[in-house]
Amino acid sequence: EVQLVESGGVVVQPGGSLRLSCAASGFTFDDYSMQWVRQVPGKGLEWVALISWDGSSTYYADSVKGRFTVSRDNSKNSLYLQMNSLTTEDTALYYCAKEAVAWQWLFHLDYWGRGTLVTVSS
Amino acid sequence: EIVLTQSPGTLSLSPGERATLSCRASQSVSSSYLAWYQQKPGQAPRLLIYGASSRATGIPDRFSGSESGTDFTLTISSLEPEDFAVYHCHQYGDSPPTFGQGTKVEIK
Repeated sequence: EVQLVESGGVVVQPGGSLRLSCAASGFTFDDYSMQWVRQVPGKGLEWVALISWDGSSTYYADSVKGRFTVSRDNSKNSLYLQMNSLTTEDTALYYCAKEAVAWQWLFHLDYWGRGTLVTVSS
Repeated sequence: EIVLTQSPGTLSLSPGERATLSCRASQSVSSSYLAWYQQKPGQAPRLLIYGASSRATGIPDRFSGSESGTDFTLTISSLEPEDFAVYHCHQYGDSPPTFGQGTKVEIK
């Protein structure tokens, strides 16, 4: 059974930093690209970042480019999102999600975690 | 970037009725790379449809997707009680991938 479990969400002050983690199991992690998607409670979904299956390629939404860094450790079946220079606009539930097609990127997402809440507030 | 506009914002229907949800793209979506997800309160999104019309594994056949140009439609042929939720469309044919704002299907 595929499982994605996010962690690391907390309350942080504007300008602060945070690292989110996503522990993956139930599939061959290093065959699949992964994404981070966020959602302000009660609002729509917003794509944040993507990393290819081997970590060689990364892509970011303009809203986070230069501030967020996505990475992965295939030996630990783990995905990460380093978030710097946080603003109140970054307050959201952050989901990690698995792409559906192996050895490709920018595809639909067939499994999602339950999310971890990041609150940026003074 | 491709903007996806979902309508209506809320759809009030009774169990057994047919639901028709719309997702309009601001430009052509490459290779019909459009997906639909269902999201219930406090839960993660669940993939329903990909490639505009292909059902994901385990999705009942009352869910169907179609495409006409830049207009995409999710149809639920006969609403079951568990279908009342928010539905999101998602294009992944062009970077950046984008989502619609969601349509809530509520019990009338």
